[in-house]
Amino acid sequence: EVQLVESGGGLVQPGRSLRLSCAASGFTFDDYAMNWVRQAPGKGLEWVSGISWNSGSTDYADSLKGRFTISRDNAKNSLYLQMNSLRAEDTALYYCAKGTRWLAFDYWGQGTLVTVSS
Amino acid sequence: EIVLTQSPGTLSLSPGERATLSCRASQSVSSSYLAWYQQKPGQAPRLLIYGASSRATGIPDRFSGSGSGTDFTLTISRLEPEDFAVYYCQQYDSSLYTFGQGTKLQSK
Repeated sequence: EVQLVESGGGLVQPGRSLRLSCAASGFTFDDYAMNWVRQAPGKGLEWVSGISWNSGSTDYADSLKGRFTISRDNAKNSLYLQMNSLRAEDTALYYCAKGTRWLAFDYWGQGTLVTVSS
Repeated sequence: EIVLTQSPGTLSLSPGERATLSCRASQSVSSSYLAWYQQKPGQAPRLLIYGASSRATGIPDRFSGSGSGTDFTLTISRLEPEDFAVYYCQQYDSSLYTFGQGTKLQSK
C-alpha cells in the first residue's frame, strides 16, 4: 500500500524558515518524480514544486520567487521542502504527491499545515 | 503560464443525473498531460482521469474525460451520493503544473 506521510508543519513567524518532510512507502521511491502541492484554507489547489526521480531536475511555481527549495533522499525514501522568508500568504495545507509517467499525481499524503503569523 | 478556467463554479444536481464539468485552457494543452481530481471535505485530492480520458486505477466507469486543445470535459454519467465534491482539472506544460479553480458539485 502506497503511503505518503508529511510532517514539519506548524506555526511560524513571517520571515522565518520551515522544512517539511514527506516519508514514502509502498512503492519504489526512486522510480518516480515527486511534488508538493498546497491549499490555502478554503481555497483551491496550487502546485508548489516538483523534483525528478534522481534530483536532476527541479521545478517551482513562478510565484515562489526562489524562496523554496525541494530535495529528496532516495536512500531514506523521503522528500523535503525547505521554505525560507515565509509570508502570511504561504499559510496552507501542504501535500506531498507522487508523480506518474503521465505527469499526473496518483497518490497524495494527508498534508501538513503551515501557518505563518506573528 | 497556462491558465485553466473551470465552469460552472457550482453545479447543483440530483443523484442519478448526469454531470458535465468544463475546463478551458488559455492556450492549447497536450491531452497527454490533462488530469482531473476529486476532493471531498477534509480529504486529499484523488486522481480520477489522466491523459484527458484514461481512468485512474479503481475509478468507476461512470466517470469519463474527453476533449483536446483548449477544451476538456469531465462527465459523470449517473451521479451517486458519494460523487458530490469539488473537482479540479490540472495540466502540465513547460515544467509547470497549473490547476483550475475547481467546480463544486453539490446535491440539489
